[in-house]
Amino acid sequence: EDKVVQSPLSLVVHEGDTVTLNCSYEVTNFRSLLWYKQEKKAPTFLFMLTSSGIEKKSGRLSSILDKKELFSILNITATQTGDSAVYLCAVRKGGSEKLVFGKGTKLTVNP
Amino acid sequence: NAGVTQTPKFQVLKTGQSMTLQCAQDMNHNSMYWYRQDPGMGLRLIYYSASEGTTDKGEVPNGYNVSRLNKREFSLRLESAAPSQTSVYFCASSQNLNTEAFFGQGTRLTVV
Repeated sequence: EDKVVQSPLSLVVHEGDTVTLNCSYEVTNFRSLLWYKQEKKAPTFLFMLTSSGIEKKSGRLSSILDKKELFSILNITATQTGDSAVYLCAVRKGGSEKLVFGKGTKLTVNP
Repeated sequence: NAGVTQTPKFQVLKTGQSMTLQCAQDMNHNSMYWYRQDPGMGLRLIYYSASEGTTDKGEVPNGYNVSRLNKREFSLRLESAAPSQTSVYFCASSQNLNTEAFFGQGTRLTVV
């Protein structure tokens, strides 16, 4: 059975802190891993990772994939209150359009 | 630029009633998905459609049916609603295996 496990489930930090969110997976025929941010409503796309060791970066957010150890991390540096959200990790299987999500990490950034 | 549009945004049903959630995308995407989101459970895949004319079960298909009416539209039907189907439902679409999925704004369904 396909599994996507995120940790921690929730995290509370102060503005300016750096956080690392984890996503591990067990899927057959892995194709790609995606990170989303969900505030009040629809998840919004952050990154898609397909190759090991190549960091994707957007402003204060960055992510990297390790296909050998089957995990990815999402880093947020100099956190702001606007980073408060649920961060979702999803894995897409090759040969299929199936996109399987983890339960998410709820990040709260306090002023 | 509408993206993925879901209707309705909110719905209350009585146990045993039926209803159809509508989803349409205007991005000419091939693949479409229906997820439900419950507290502490993340997004769980109900059904997906890799292309027009095909549908496949996801993780939690029981109690639901889907129709890929055409390339734009993918509907989710509850034939006999149950309180366990109280949830927020999200529709999503993606161009293909190599691109991200875009989400609609969700439908909050309550079954009493």
